[in-house]
Amino acid sequence: GENVEQHPSTLSVQEGDSAVIKCTYSDSASNYFPWYKQELGKRPQLIIDIRSNVGEKKDQRIAVTLNKTAKHFSLHITETQPEDSAVYFCAATIGSARQLTFGSGTQLTVLP
Amino acid sequence: KAGVTQTPRYLIKTRGQQVTLSCSPISGHRSVSWYQQTPGQGLQFLFEYFSETQRNKGNFPGRFSGRQFSNSRSEMNVSTLELGDSALYLCASSPEAFNEQFFGPGTRLTVL
Repeated sequence: GENVEQHPSTLSVQEGDSAVIKCTYSDSASNYFPWYKQELGKRPQLIIDIRSNVGEKKDQRIAVTLNKTAKHFSLHITETQPEDSAVYFCAATIGSARQLTFGSGTQLTVLP
Repeated sequence: KAGVTQTPRYLIKTRGQQVTLSCSPISGHRSVSWYQQTPGQGLQFLFEYFSETQRNKGNFPGRFSGRQFSNSRSEMNVSTLELGDSALYLCASSPEAFNEQFFGPGTRLTVL
């Protein structure tokens, strides 16, 4: 069926380095791609999103890129800080009902 | 605006029982989605309601059901509980489809 695949499942980086998380989707009609951050014991919160008519979007240290032809999108975090440590989920609208389908998550650890 | 609220926050049940969880969306939001979150399975979509109608349903057995009231508040019910139903149940509201979803704090269900 239609799904969203996310890689890597875990990622450790040194403070100040960049982190990249990648997702692929199967539905060529997908048009909305949000990224959520979930800190331990807390609810997922939207950090950035992109729509299919845009190739890249940036918000301070966070950026998302979308390649519709290849059906993949990526989250880029620059100058990582310990407070960036969390689980990150990508998502895409999938299927005729355009239901938001989530990737399996990436546990990001920023080492001081 | 007040955020999405869920009650109860924690629940302990035994196998075979049934449970009802409640979600109050952000004022003005008409779409409510429910997700099951477990450590190994990430965020699994249960169903989505919009204006009291179930618009979309995930791959869960019929023991999982839901409804939405005219004020957009939603409930989900799980009958004949199984040990594997232990999870964090999150609801999320959105003003319309294909837009940012705002998550509630979740209900932690433990089935003994």
